[in-house]
Amino acid sequence: DAGVIQSPRHEVTEMGQEVTLRCKPISGHNSLFWYRQTMMRGLELLIYFNNNVPIDDSGMPEDRFSAKMPNASFSTLKIQPSEPRDSAVYFCASSLLAGGRGYEQYFGPGTRLTVT
Amino acid sequence: GQQVMQIPQYQHVQEGEDFTTYCNSSTTLSNIQWYKQRPGGHPVFLIQLVKSGEVKKQKRLTFQFGEAKKNSSLHITATQTTDVGTYFCAGGGSYNTDKLIFGTGTRLQVFP
Repeated sequence: DAGVIQSPRHEVTEMGQEVTLRCKPISGHNSLFWYRQTMMRGLELLIYFNNNVPIDDSGMPEDRFSAKMPNASFSTLKIQPSEPRDSAVYFCASSLLAGGRGYEQYFGPGTRLTVT
Repeated sequence: GQQVMQIPQYQHVQEGEDFTTYCNSSTTLSNIQWYKQRPGGHPVFLIQLVKSGEVKKQKRLTFQFGEAKKNSSLHITATQTTDVGTYFCAGGGSYNTDKLIFGTGTRLQVFP
């Protein structure tokens, strides 16, 4: 298995531009997570999908952030318009929820976003 | 909301010394997981503990889950330079969800 795939790996954009981050989870996993990591705030959960349905989006910073999961093999995180404070590493992770029990999360390599 | 704190924030040790990081949750956890993130890398799963008082070992690493299921620890015996990285605990809050709350992390530096 190729693991969780994220693209792009690096993104540099100007303030005000739209940014779209992409994620392909591990085949067979039914949960998908978007995280943001910064030195100041650590690893924050932004949104969590199970069976393609958003379950918890309480970590999404504001309306400028949106996430979709149109099918079991693809998710996007969009920032519009982007701001310098959005600069961070964004991780996508997937896992299996079965029998009421959550298993380990597999993280993708991350997208390093820089907004100038 | 639920918070998971880790101490210490940083630890520098000489190769061969032991290392311990502690994790504390504000609420009772259904399970605790530990992850390691190498510099420039992504978090990688190490282990999951589910039972109260559970202890698990992986070679030089020993993981414990507290009796009250609100705290945990990771102990590394005789550290090596390959142990360098940030260690995160992550708490599962309830049944039938695999959402985790990640701790603040402990960054370990090992000097040869």
